[in-house]
Amino acid sequence: QVQLVQSGAEVKKPGSSVKVSCKASGGTFSSYAISWVRQAPGQGLEWMGRIIPILGIANYAQKFQGRVTITADKSTSTAYMELSSLRSEDTAVYYCAREISSSWSNWGQGTLVTVSS
Amino acid sequence: AIQMTQSPSSLSASVGDRVTITCRASQGIRNDLGWYQQKPGKAPKLLIYAASSLQSGVPSRFSGSGSGTDFTLTISSLQPEDFATYYCLQDYNPPYTFGQGTKLEIK
Repeated sequence: QVQLVQSGAEVKKPGSSVKVSCKASGGTFSSYAISWVRQAPGQGLEWMGRIIPILGIANYAQKFQGRVTITADKSTSTAYMELSSLRSEDTAVYYCAREISSSWSNWGQGTLVTVSS
Repeated sequence: AIQMTQSPSSLSASVGDRVTITCRASQGIRNDLGWYQQKPGKAPKLLIYAASSLQSGVPSRFSGSGSGTDFTLTISSLQPEDFATYYCLQDYNPPYTFGQGTKLEIK
């Protein structure tokens, strides 16, 4: 069974960047897409983008275009999400999830990113 | 981008009730839709995939239906552990989109 383990909580200043990792264990990493989803406090779920590790191709939500970069390292079975030009509205829990044909059964535990001066 | 309109946004119900949550897509998405349950402080949990397939380990009181633009999640007899927030997610084509969520509360 695949497990996704994310990096720990971060506190960042406005205008800086954050890079969150998502390490997969127990299954095939490269063949399935990894998506990133965020949830601001008290709000709903918001899809940010995804990557197919075996192809290295990423897609992004229009809202985050130019500010988010999703990458994957097949050698370590790890996906990364980097968000730049942080503002207070980016304070949220960030999740990675593995996509398998409308079946997103594997999620990371979430990483809280707090943006504060 | 495909918009997902989920309703209701909140729902008050009692243990044993039958409840239905709906999601409507702004364009056809075949059956590329999943339903997720989320409890406070936890990651979303997959309940239904491909619109109507029950995820392994999920109780049979959960069911999904629909195809194209209209989808439904039904809980046949609410249990105390079902009080949570529910989301639909379309992954027909990127950009993927979630419904706004339905908060299911105890009456």
